[in-house]
Amino acid sequence: DTGVSQDPRHKITKRGQNVTFRCDPISEHNRLYWYRQTLGQGPEFLTYFQNEAQLEKSRLLSDRFSAERPKGSFSTLEIQRTEQGDSAMYLCASSLAQTGVNEQFFGPGTRLTVL
Amino acid sequence: QKEVEQDPGPLSVPEGAIVSLNCTYSNSAFQYFMWYRQYSRKGPELLMYTYSSGNKEDGRFTAQVDKSSKYISLFIRDSQPSDSATYLCAMKKTGGSNYKLTFGKGTLLTVNP
Repeated sequence: DTGVSQDPRHKITKRGQNVTFRCDPISEHNRLYWYRQTLGQGPEFLTYFQNEAQLEKSRLLSDRFSAERPKGSFSTLEIQRTEQGDSAMYLCASSLAQTGVNEQFFGPGTRLTVL
Repeated sequence: QKEVEQDPGPLSVPEGAIVSLNCTYSNSAFQYFMWYRQYSRKGPELLMYTYSSGNKEDGRFTAQVDKSSKYISLFIRDSQPSDSATYLCAMKKTGGSNYKLTFGKGTLLTVNP
C-alpha cells in the first residue's frame, strides 16, 4: 500500500499525559498537512510543511501542540498535557507542490480519546 | 458565520434515487471546489473537483458551482448502497494560501437497498 499511513490508529490517554502521532506521506510528496476532525464536523486545518519547513500553523494549534517533519519525510504531531477538548480524529494528508488543484491524499487518521 | 456551510443531514434515500448535496460559502476568494467522500473511520478521499464556475460530470456524479450565488452542489444519480458515506465539500483559494482546504461539516448519506 503506497498511500498515507498514520500510527497509531487509536490512542486513549488520561488528561495531562503527552501523546505523539506519526504520519508517513506518499513517498514523492513534498507537502504534508495535519487536520483535526471532531465528531460531526469537517476537518480543520492545523499546520502544513513543505519539505522540512513548517510554513503555517493555525490558531487552533496552541502552544501545547508541536509538529515536526525531520528531513522532509515522515511527520510527528505531539500534544503535551492533553485536555479532554483534544479528543478528535487527527488526519494527515500529503500532496505534491504544484499549481492547480494540488490534490491532498488523506491517511486513515489517528483517533484520540482523552479521559 | 463559518466560511463554508453544509447541512449535516442525515439524508436517507432508497437505492436508485437521485441525491442532491449542497454547500454555501462566504469567501469569494475560493476558486477550487471539491467534494470528498468519507467512509466511517476512514480518511476523506477526493471524489471530484471544479475550478471556478461550471459543471463537471464523472460517471454517476455531477458537480456544479454557481459563484454568483456562492453555492455548490453534488448530484449522485442511480444511488447505490455503496454510496453510503459522509460527503464533505471543501474549498481552497489560489495564490499564496492555496494549500489550505476549508471543509463543510459533511452530510451523512444512507442509501437503503
